[in-house]
Amino acid sequence: GESVGLHLPTLSVQEGDNSIINCAYSNSASDYFIWYKQESGKGPQFIIDIRSNMDKRQGQRVTVLLNKTVKHLSLQIAATQPGDSAVYFCAENNYGNQFYFGTGTSLTVIP
Amino acid sequence: GAVVSQHPSWVICKSGTSVKIECRSLDFQATTMFWYRQFPKQSLMLMATSNEGSKATYEQGVEKDKFLINHASLTLSTLTVTSAHPEDSSFYICSASAPTSGDSYEQYFGPGTRLTVT
Repeated sequence: GESVGLHLPTLSVQEGDNSIINCAYSNSASDYFIWYKQESGKGPQFIIDIRSNMDKRQGQRVTVLLNKTVKHLSLQIAATQPGDSAVYFCAENNYGNQFYFGTGTSLTVIP
Repeated sequence: GAVVSQHPSWVICKSGTSVKIECRSLDFQATTMFWYRQFPKQSLMLMATSNEGSKATYEQGVEKDKFLINHASLTLSTLTVTSAHPEDSSFYICSASAPTSGDSYEQYFGPGTRLTVT
């Protein structure tokens, strides 16, 4: 497997500010990436995805940036809200249907 | 959207007993399902890939005789933790794979099952 079980880094932001969550992936052959949100005691929820032929993709309040040169993904959340507090994971996929998860970041939004 | 359920959502068992966890895709058929394990404040670790009608593929370091996986139908995969020990206590999450455009797949996750072994 390619995921590593490390303790989660944390990020705290004020409500209304923008959040940037970063992820380094491991396999240069990965061609599809997804950001997931996981609330405590629940399974991951899909947020946004991006293919390797793109470097940016926007959704509603979220933007994903992909830098293949340095194998780096970021998730930007605009106007962060208390309901955005959760753990965020990136996952990578390479031409198959298996996904490997990054370490994750715990986001706390301060009202 | 596609819905995946898990049962039970929480189970406590005694050391040495076996526990079965079910994963169901409710409104779509999934030829492939995945089982993950997640310890507190850690990432999801892929344990195995469950293929309907064939043997599961286990990730390196996962004991196939301890974590028995059966994928008997296109909507059901089960994970049985045999002879459970306290160190098996964890959050077990399944996902079901559905193809999207091209060669990509999207995974739909279940809500997870919290296993506590006493």
